[in-house]
Amino acid sequence: DVKVTQSSRYLVKRTGEKVFLECVQDMDHENMFWYRQDPGLGLRLIYFSYDVKMKEKGDIPEGYSVSREKKERFSLILESASTNQTSMYLCASTGTQYEQYFGPGTRLTVT
Amino acid sequence: KQEVTQIPAALSVPEGENLVLNCSFTDSAIYNLQWFRQDPGKGLTSLLLIQSSQREQTSGRLNASLDKSSGRSTLYIAASQPGDSATYLCAVRGWSGGYQKVTFGTGTKLQVIP
Repeated sequence: DVKVTQSSRYLVKRTGEKVFLECVQDMDHENMFWYRQDPGLGLRLIYFSYDVKMKEKGDIPEGYSVSREKKERFSLILESASTNQTSMYLCASTGTQYEQYFGPGTRLTVT
Repeated sequence: KQEVTQIPAALSVPEGENLVLNCSFTDSAIYNLQWFRQDPGKGLTSLLLIQSSQREQTSGRLNASLDKSSGRSTLYIAASQPGDSATYLCAVRGWSGGYQKVTFGTGTKLQVIP
């Protein structure tokens, strides 16, 4: 079974802090994605990566950056957390059939 | 721009009933369509993946169909159980700006009443 894990299930941070969310997949997938999910807005793509050290902006990249130093790991960075970044963050990877596999999510609260 | 709609937004049925969830999309040039379930506060669990060349896929009590020409997919759940209570999302994969792009519906929240 494909496994996508995320470093934290719940996270509480203060405004202005630098926040790291980590995602690891164990199926040697090339493609990895970060989404945020908000009530009424659905899932929105923040960044994605098709290869190591490669990144592309999604629909809402402002205030975020990413890092992919190893194939299995894709990190989302909030350089200076703000209250409007309080959300559920979901990581996903895709296999050869382009089937998406999601991690359990990180509920981030910025106070 | 692809738009994906799921109607109804919420559905409540008695246990044992067969039910159909709907997913509509505006651009028929898709690569595949995937159905997920999401339990409260959790990630998305993949249920079924239908490639653009396929008409349906089945897994246990679930059957998903795809009609690209009409821009519709349905998820059929047979003999519903309380454990089926969750939000069901469909996701359509197409192309945008040279990359494949996935567009999600906003989901149907299903409650199965014992």
